[in-house]
Amino acid sequence: GNSVTQMEGPVTLSEEAFLTINCTYTATGYPSLFWYVQYPGEGLQLLLKATKADDKGSNKGFEATYRKETTSFHLEKGSVQVSDSAVYFCAPAPGSARQLTFGSGTQLTVLP
Amino acid sequence: GAGVSQSPRYKVAKRGQDVALRCDPISGHVSLFWYQQALGQGPEFLTYFQNEAQLDKSGLPSDRFFAERPEGSVSTLKIQRTQQEDSAVYLCASSSGPFSGANVLTFGAGSRLTVL
Repeated sequence: GNSVTQMEGPVTLSEEAFLTINCTYTATGYPSLFWYVQYPGEGLQLLLKATKADDKGSNKGFEATYRKETTSFHLEKGSVQVSDSAVYFCAPAPGSARQLTFGSGTQLTVLP
Repeated sequence: GAGVSQSPRYKVAKRGQDVALRCDPISGHVSLFWYQQALGQGPEFLTYFQNEAQLDKSGLPSDRFFAERPEGSVSTLKIQRTQQEDSAVYLCASSSGPFSGANVLTFGAGSRLTVL
């Protein structure tokens, strides 16, 4: 089956620090890969995605590269802001299934 | 509508009561999903509709859970004889086309169910 291993939280950083949240997955075939974010009191929303190997997804200063050889999709940001405080979910989406498989989420808190 | 709307946002039920949770997807969206999110966990798939057809209900935890989308738009998730372990946030999501790996889902804010 499909599974996701996501870096456990919570993660607390100071503003302007570098962020990495690790994500590895197992899936049949070559899934599309997503990062979703959940801000306090809001629904999940797409942060970025990559649909094939070596693609880099990017949005709001966040980046993640689809690494087929290591089955990873690590999320990075060079300089975090207080407004980035949220829960981040890694989610591979196998093309042959009708489901996203979400990781357990990583709580990020950025302090001013 | 502009986004996915869910109601009620909060529901408290006594154990054994039946509850119904409503999802209003983005107008015209073909695919609709229900997920269950326990506290501190990622969402877990419950069921998927393509228009009015329920194509996958493999994630429904028991026969107390039932979902429908009779006209291919609004969907209702019904939980009969609620138990304490049903306490969770129930998320609805929709996407514009039939699900493929590359589709982006738009999520509602969720319905938080607490069973006493």
